[in-house]
Amino acid sequence: EIVMTQSPATLSVSPGERATLSCRASQSITNLAWYQQKFGQAPRLLIYGASTRATGIPARFSGSGSGTEFTLTISSLQSEDFAVYYCQQYNNWPRTFGQGTRLEIK
Amino acid sequence: QVQLQESGPGLVKPSETLSLNCSVSGYFISNGYYWGWIRQSPGKGLEWIGSIYVSGNTYYNPSLKSRVTISVDTSKNQFSLKLTSLTAADTAVYYCARANGHCDSSTCYNWFDPWGQGALVTVSS
Repeated sequence: EIVMTQSPATLSVSPGERATLSCRASQSITNLAWYQQKFGQAPRLLIYGASTRATGIPARFSGSGSGTEFTLTISSLQSEDFAVYYCQQYNNWPRTFGQGTRLEIK
Repeated sequence: QVQLQESGPGLVKPSETLSLNCSVSGYFISNGYYWGWIRQSPGKGLEWIGSIYVSGNTYYNPSLKSRVTISVDTSKNQFSLKLTSLTAADTAVYYCARANGHCDSSTCYNWFDPWGQGALVTVSS
């Protein structure tokens, strides 16, 4: 099983600033997705293929990385961006998720 | 657009079997795609349970495989989850989702989108 590790667990950032979230895989992968989850809601797909934005996702969200190290960057935080973010690998079965990064208002 | 909706009991007793359905609207399951179940325990992260294709081909999480069955009913345009021998550790919000992506000759590569709103299942006597 591929273990996904996200850091930091909590990130405090001010609105308008940039946020950088990390995701590390226990072995090299090429297929990675990022999701946003707000309280009481289902996760929403942001990024697939490590860097392709899903339909309707604003351009301030970008994904990068390869191998075992991946990054989700939110260029200028809006109030609606404060949520929990998860990465997921879909290279191998079983599909696995990171434990999440909580993005909170500083 | 594609929408998914979970349905099932909110409270189940320990040792019993959980049965959940996921109704799909805006897309005919018979047209393809994998469809999956994911759960989230209170205050914890996401755990993939399993996925099924319209042909009936399934993949299960090894940690749950002995207790899980996922099936599809194209006549009702829905797919279902059965989880047996429940314990308190199975208390979670259960989500269904469409698994988008692509397949090659050996396997498939799928992310999840869209998701249903989730169904809270509590295991308690």
